[in-house]
Amino acid sequence: DAGITQSPRHKVTETGTPVTLRCHQTENHRYMYWYRQDPGHGLRLIHYSYGVKDTDKGEVSDGYSVSRSKTEDFLLTLESATSSQTSVYFCAISESNRFYGYTFGSGTRLTVV
Amino acid sequence: KNQVEQSPQSLIILEGKNCTLQCNYTVSPFSNLRWYKQDTGRGPVSLTIMTFSENTKSNGRYTATLDADTKQSSLHITASQLSDSASYICVVTDGNQFYFGTGTSLTVIP
Repeated sequence: DAGITQSPRHKVTETGTPVTLRCHQTENHRYMYWYRQDPGHGLRLIHYSYGVKDTDKGEVSDGYSVSRSKTEDFLLTLESATSSQTSVYFCAISESNRFYGYTFGSGTRLTVV
Repeated sequence: KNQVEQSPQSLIILEGKNCTLQCNYTVSPFSNLRWYKQDTGRGPVSLTIMTFSENTKSNGRYTATLDADTKQSSLHITASQLSDSASYICVVTDGNQFYFGTGTSLTVIP
């Protein structure tokens, strides 16, 4: 998917354990985003980054943290996973403007049991 | 409240037939509207992006229309193919954030 790789693609974890999802891009785009997608809901923004070490919260950021130490990598961490965080997580990137040239990754399916 | 609503929720059509998906929004101010196609197990892929001044935009067999006055958009798929089976998502932005619809699930059967 246009230079975006998400890992892992699937993960099952237990309640209370920490989980880190990785988004890697080879496009050298400035903006990176984490979304979650759940049945009955549109994609919802968790966090986004507008540069190395520059991040901001989205509409559903509680229980999630992010880090971006390099342009190409954006990490999403669930400090203590809960069943409500079972979801499909998508990373997206955009080049020079937050709302143009948006490209999504293939997603990570996370199940918290 | 800014919202994007899509209809129908799901649709089944025969291969070769046409179909139209609807998107109504209350987002204001309006910056642009996008249609995405999302195949099962994949991320959304952009089909079209429409600004305020654009009424119609085509991408192959996909044609999107926009009526900014009534805040409605439609996605028309012509001569459907089995590969059109997917979820179609309408997204509107006010220039500050995206507002996502919940999608229309289209199934094309032989």
